Amino acid sequence: SQKIEQNSEALNIQEGKTATLTCNYTNYSPAYLQWYRQDPGRGPVFLLLIRENEKEKRKERLKVTFDTTLKQSLFHITASQPADSATYLCALASSGGSYIPTFGRGTSLIVHP
Amino acid sequence: DGGITQSPKYLFRKEGQNVTLSCEQNLNHDAMYWYRQDPGQGLRLIYYSQIVNDFQKGDIAEGYSVSREKKESFPLTVTSAQKNPTAFYLCASSQGIVFVKNIQYFGAGTRLSVL
Repeated sequence: SQKIEQNSEALNIQEGKTATLTCNYTNYSPAYLQWYRQDPGRGPVFLLLIRENEKEKRKERLKVTFDTTLKQSLFHITASQPADSATYLCALASSGGSYIPTFGRGTSLIVHP
Repeated sequence: DGGITQSPKYLFRKEGQNVTLSCEQNLNHDAMYWYRQDPGQGLRLIYYSQIVNDFQKGDIAEGYSVSREKKESFPLTVTSAQKNPTAFYLCASSQGIVFVKNIQYFGAGTRLSVL
């Protein structure tokens, strides 16, 4: 069956360090992958989209990589700040069918001052 | 101010009661969605609509119903048949469903609890 896995344990890092979050998937032929940020009690907010034929995407302090051989995406936040503390969700859409993304459970990031 | 408005923010349902969650968007998006989020769970798709007067079941449609009479509105009814309705409900919209038009814009959510 199709599965999207994100680390359920919170990631705790020190301010100024680079945070790296992982999204692994199985039994998908991905068309694209998206990353969203969700704050407690709020709806997710779109951050970045990467297509299956792209290796890397950047936006300001954010970087996403996509390795379809490893079936993995990495999400990096450089020079992290306490304001980056949130839950980060990855979402994957398959080619050959509906392009509605399926969401992972998310990983909580806590940046300590 | 463009965006998606969900109301109410909190809702309580009594046994055997149907309740309706409101979702309105002024982004001129064609597609709209309803998701359910439980603690520690990913978002699960309940229903989606690509155009007015058309909607499709998602992964967990049982016990829910929707309508799409206007482009900007996509209300969700949680019926008495939904035995475990307590959850955080999120409405979203996107330009369309195909490919890169499927960047989802979410409302602030409605938290539904059972009395």
